[in-house]
Amino acid sequence: AQSVTQPDIHITVSEGASLELRCNYSYGATPYLFWYVQSPGQGLQLLLKYFSGDTLVQGIKGFEAEFKRSQSSFNLRKPSVHWSDAAEYFCAVGVPGGYQKVTFGTGTKLQVIP
Amino acid sequence: GAVVSQHPSWVICKSGTSVKIECRSLDFQATTMFWYRQFPKQSLMLMATSNEGSKATYEQGVEKDKFLINHASLTLSTLTVTSAHPEDSSFYICSAGDSTTGELFFGEGSRLTVL
Repeated sequence: AQSVTQPDIHITVSEGASLELRCNYSYGATPYLFWYVQSPGQGLQLLLKYFSGDTLVQGIKGFEAEFKRSQSSFNLRKPSVHWSDAAEYFCAVGVPGGYQKVTFGTGTKLQVIP
Repeated sequence: GAVVSQHPSWVICKSGTSVKIECRSLDFQATTMFWYRQFPKQSLMLMATSNEGSKATYEQGVEKDKFLINHASLTLSTLTVTSAHPEDSSFYICSAGDSTTGELFFGEGSRLTVL
């Protein structure tokens, strides 16, 4: 079965600084990979996804993620963080062919300070 | 874009009562929907896979008699928490897969508080 690890429970960055959120997955082949964002009391919004092809994926709100097979990682990055980016971020993995059933990581809470 | 709507967005009920949460795909058909549960400050845990016209598939440890799922049409799945207790208080989120494009969309969640 697939699994996802987000090593950082909580990250604080200054507004305007760069951001990288870590995600490692465990799966026997290349999975489908996702990053979602959740604001307090809200549902999930898809930031980006990787199915195949170019390993650098561009998403919404200026986010990008890079799939590195050798490291089993799919880290999320943003060059300059805005205060509105403060939220909970979830990495998720899906099985090809059955990707609709995704497994979520434990999440990383991002705090942005002025 | 496609929208998945959940109703109600929040509900408070007394212990022992049953609560129904609806998940609707507003502009696409979804043969498969998923129900997740999220405890405070925790991740989302898949509860069950809801299949249109057939029985739901529950994850290990989820009581099927406690959490009744019905997927009667291609745009609606319902989750009924039966005989709710305070430990059932949680944030319930559904997701729906667009049968045509394969895209997966999440609802905005329903917060259940059982007194």
